[in-house]
Amino acid sequence: GQNIDQPTEMTATEGAIVQINCTYQTSGFNGLFWYQQHAGEAPTFLSYNVLDGLEEKGRFSSFLSRSKGYSYLLLKELQMKDSASYLCAVTSGNAGKSTFGDGTTLTVKP
Amino acid sequence: GAVVSQHPSWVICKSGTSVKIECRSLDFQATTMFWYRQFPKQSLMLMATSNEGSKATYEQGVEKDKFLINHASLTLSTLTVTSAHPEDSSFYICSAYQGASGTEAFFGQGTRLTVV
Repeated sequence: GQNIDQPTEMTATEGAIVQINCTYQTSGFNGLFWYQQHAGEAPTFLSYNVLDGLEEKGRFSSFLSRSKGYSYLLLKELQMKDSASYLCAVTSGNAGKSTFGDGTTLTVKP
Repeated sequence: GAVVSQHPSWVICKSGTSVKIECRSLDFQATTMFWYRQFPKQSLMLMATSNEGSKATYEQGVEKDKFLINHASLTLSTLTVTSAHPEDSSFYICSAYQGASGTEAFFGQGTRLTVV
């Protein structure tokens, strides 16, 4: 089976930086996704890490350590619209099947 | 990214009736489609994996006779919730996968089902 852990809730201030961690235990690891989901909407793709290291994409960056079973999503220059749930998902095998963590609800305050 | 269209966006049905949800990949062929269910304030739970032309693979605890999945073509998969009950009220989301290893699966918009 797969075990994915991420914090339930986080709060940060507008303009600040926040790091959302995700740890996982899985067999046949292929890659790790981060998605953003606003209430009542479908998830939207943020990043996909296959190899170790940091990938930067605008205000969002994602890091992966395969040996440690660890990833984080880094959000810079936080905006109010970044308030959402952030889902960590692990993909195993080669069929695109993803298992999701429970999500981290981020609240950005003025 | 590729576009996946899911229809309807929301539906209200009476208890005991059946509801069909469609998931279409508009600009690519999806060898595999996944159906997820999400209850309020919970994460996405995989219900089943659907491969074109073959029977769906259901996750443990998901009733295959209640949640009928058909993947008749490389661009269309359907989920039919049969004899719906209020506890089936949920957000149902599909994702479509092209089949190339290392690429993402693309999500539909989701369907909000309310059974009254």
